[in-house]
Amino acid sequence: DGGITQSPKYLFRKEGQNVTLSCEQNLNHDAMYWYRQDPGQGLRLIYYSQIVNDFQKGDIAEGYSVSREKKESFPLTVTSAQKNPTAFYLCASSIGPHYEQYFGPGTRLTVT
Amino acid sequence: GDSVTQMEGPVTLSEEAFLTINCTYTATGYPSLFWYVQYPGEGLQLLLKATKADDKGSNKGFEATYRKETTSFHLEKGSVQVSDSAVYFCALEGGAQKLVFGQGTRLTINP
Repeated sequence: DGGITQSPKYLFRKEGQNVTLSCEQNLNHDAMYWYRQDPGQGLRLIYYSQIVNDFQKGDIAEGYSVSREKKESFPLTVTSAQKNPTAFYLCASSIGPHYEQYFGPGTRLTVT
Repeated sequence: GDSVTQMEGPVTLSEEAFLTINCTYTATGYPSLFWYVQYPGEGLQLLLKATKADDKGSNKGFEATYRKETTSFHLEKGSVQVSDSAVYFCALEGGAQKLVFGQGTRLTINP
């Protein structure tokens, strides 16, 4: 079955540590996205990539970093510079511009 | 900039009631419009979409019509079920092909 996988589902870290969230897709999509969701709020775009080896900052990129070395993979690193990292993180992909985005199941990150 | 405003929640209805969740948008040009649904603990799933004015998107008994004159894309369903309980997000495709989401509306259907 084609789809997007995110792992792990739940992640716990101590403050001051960097943490990397995994996102893999086997849909052969060119574009991939990372969103952050906080309680009672909509999704906010962190980073996106329209093609391998290229990515762009979204609306809330500070304290995050990404890489896109392979078409299938778009890992997100939450660095210690992110002031409020506890949130639900969602990865998505699409064939390209103007096409619908498909979402993964999400990773809930808790930093204490 | 582009923005989406959704009806404040939470919304609680009885089974078989009529549902409307309001959504209005601000954007330059004529963006594509979407409704996504999120079940507890899961990612988002596309529910329906419309790509131009007067288009009607429909799926699983839900409908929404792209109204350019009122910049709206209200979600409707004639008879809701308990299984429709979820959070619903209205979104538009903004500049650089990025999705802009509303804040979400939590819907609870009681049997």
